[in-house]
Amino acid sequence: AAGVIQSPRHLIKEKRETATLKCYPIPRHDTVYWYQQGPGQDPQFLISFYEKMQSDKGSIPDRFSAQQFSDYHSELNMSSLELGDSALYFCASSLGYRGRETQYFGPGTRLLVL
Amino acid sequence: GDSVTQMEGPVTLSEEAFLTINCTYTATGYPSLFWYVQYPGEGLQLLLKATKADDKGSNKGFEATYRKETTSFHLEKGSVQVSDSAVYFCALSAGNTGGFKTIFGAGTRLFVKA
Repeated sequence: AAGVIQSPRHLIKEKRETATLKCYPIPRHDTVYWYQQGPGQDPQFLISFYEKMQSDKGSIPDRFSAQQFSDYHSELNMSSLELGDSALYFCASSLGYRGRETQYFGPGTRLLVL
Repeated sequence: GDSVTQMEGPVTLSEEAFLTINCTYTATGYPSLFWYVQYPGEGLQLLLKATKADDKGSNKGFEATYRKETTSFHLEKGSVQVSDSAVYFCALSAGNTGGFKTIFGAGTRLFVKA
């Protein structure tokens, strides 16, 4: 079965650079979620989109922005990168947005900021 | 606000031992409850879920029962294997929190020795 696809899988950037992470949800899924997992930490919710509109916002820094496109894929744009942004970034998708749907996670993008 | 509390790790067991990882939650409304597993260097995988009180989720020999009276969702397995070594996250998703993000516990690392 098709799963959530994230690209790139690994990314190395320097401080103050920008990065764009991409997420392709499971076909027919209309909701996308972004999470950040620091080393040894639990995943922290950043932002979500339902039907191409922002549906909820968590602890996403102002330097980050995201959007969901007409084909339901999503991109997380990160600017003015800081060392503390080094983390594993997960995307998840679900069908519907009523709070009980299972979220299926992608393999993550590991970002290292030097 | 909604939260998940799970037992601290690491938990170290011998192969074929009985596993319990405790998880309790705080939520307004009626959350869905999940256990996710993260193998070293990999993304989050859904292990099992339960969407209403007294439901039992089960998968790969793991079980957890949604206990509304004790607000718990403890993970159990009768006989662990070395391949079960991973980090286990308890999580909830509630439809009336003002958002539909998944809230994770801190994770419990399990080591299984041969």
